[in-house]
Amino acid sequence: QVQLQQWGAGLLKPSETLSLTCAVYGGSFDDFFWTWVRQPPGKGLEWIGETNHVGVTNYNPSLKSRVTISVDTSKNQFSLKLSSVTAADTAVYYCARVGLRSLEYLREYYFDYWGQGILVTVSS
Amino acid sequence: QSALTQPRSVSGSPGQSVTISCTGTSSDVGGYNYVSWYQQYPGKAPKVRIYDVDKRPSGVPDRFSGSKSGNTASLTISGLQAEDEADYYCCSYAGSYLVFGAGTKLTVL
Repeated sequence: QVQLQQWGAGLLKPSETLSLTCAVYGGSFDDFFWTWVRQPPGKGLEWIGETNHVGVTNYNPSLKSRVTISVDTSKNQFSLKLSSVTAADTAVYYCARVGLRSLEYLREYYFDYWGQGILVTVSS
Repeated sequence: QSALTQPRSVSGSPGQSVTISCTGTSSDVGGYNYVSWYQQYPGKAPKVRIYDVDKRPSGVPDRFSGSKSGNTASLTISGLQAEDEADYYCCSYAGSYLVFGAGTKLTVL
């Protein structure tokens, strides 16, 4: 059974850097892309970006200048850093696994396992 | 990168069918067969119900179905049950990134 467990600071001041980590338990780590999604309180979901085990990354163009997603294959973990945060970055942040077309071993474009989510609040 | 357009809310009675639309552009929904749908209960992480426009993950009831025509994708839930009351989000590949819809609240009357 695949489980994603995430942690990080839940309260930040404006201009600080958000830092979250997601650990993957069960299943293969190297076969998949891993992603971050966020959800402001009472609002919809927003895709932040993704990485794979060799560090290939793709980012949401609207956040690209402030986002870094990295991977630590020795620990089956991946991390999110978002710099220069403002109140608009207040949200529940989720980590998730990107699906895989198992017969062809091709990545898909949906998310099949999610972390529990962590609320990050930006306030002075 | 605008969010995909979904109705804010839909409703139906138990046993009925409801359809939620998701409208994008030729650069996202219309350009790729990579539309997925997520169900989210309050305070919980989303769960995928449909991927690749019309595929159901293992364990998802066949009451959930997906389709696409042009730049609009649709999620249909037939035989509505009380447990279907939740928020639903569509998501589409857009060439180098993914974009979500704004979400639809489904109320089971």
